[in-house]
Amino acid sequence: GQNIDQPTEMTATEGAIVQINCTYQTSGFNGLFWYQQHAGEAPTFLSYNVLDGLEEKGRFSSFLSRSKGYSYLLLKELQMKDSASYLCAGFNQAGTALIFGKGTTLSVSS
Amino acid sequence: GAVVSQHPSWVICKSGTSVKIECRSLDFQATTMFWYRQFPKQSLMLMATSNEGSKATYEQGVEKDKFLINHASLTLSTLTVTSAHPEDSSFYICSARSRTDNEQFFGPGTRLTVL
Repeated sequence: GQNIDQPTEMTATEGAIVQINCTYQTSGFNGLFWYQQHAGEAPTFLSYNVLDGLEEKGRFSSFLSRSKGYSYLLLKELQMKDSASYLCAGFNQAGTALIFGKGTTLSVSS
Repeated sequence: GAVVSQHPSWVICKSGTSVKIECRSLDFQATTMFWYRQFPKQSLMLMATSNEGSKATYEQGVEKDKFLINHASLTLSTLTVTSAHPEDSSFYICSARSRTDNEQFFGPGTRLTVL
């Protein structure tokens, strides 16, 4: 089956750098997604990795190692508004829909 | 970018009634739409996948007679929660994918409260 694991909670201070890890076990692989979700809102797309390596997009970067079944989301120059839940997601066994990890709640303090 | 809307954004209903939630792709044709449910402080759980013009595929443990899904056109899918009970109170989120894109675009969600 498909399994996606990530830490439940993390805390950091403004201006810092934080890395949110995700490990996955899937029967097939069609890429890994990261979404941000603020409380009471729908998830918003952050990144999609299908090849190994680091993809940088402004303050956010995402890394993938397919051989290790591992990804991380790197957030730099943290701001208070980055306090949210960060969801790691991959495709289900049929390869048709995204399934999500439990999400990592990040709290950024001043 | 691709926009997905949901209606209503929130609904309160009495136990035993049915509630319909609409999901629309506003600027693209969604060949596939997905319905998720999210309980407080939990992640999104996939309920079902629907393809335009065919029956929805439900995930294990999701009652298809209780959660009726209709994907009648390339821009509209509906989820009807029949005979709703308080335990059905949740945040329901739809997403849509076009024929050419792997990315799923999410609607803003519908908060259902069953009294």
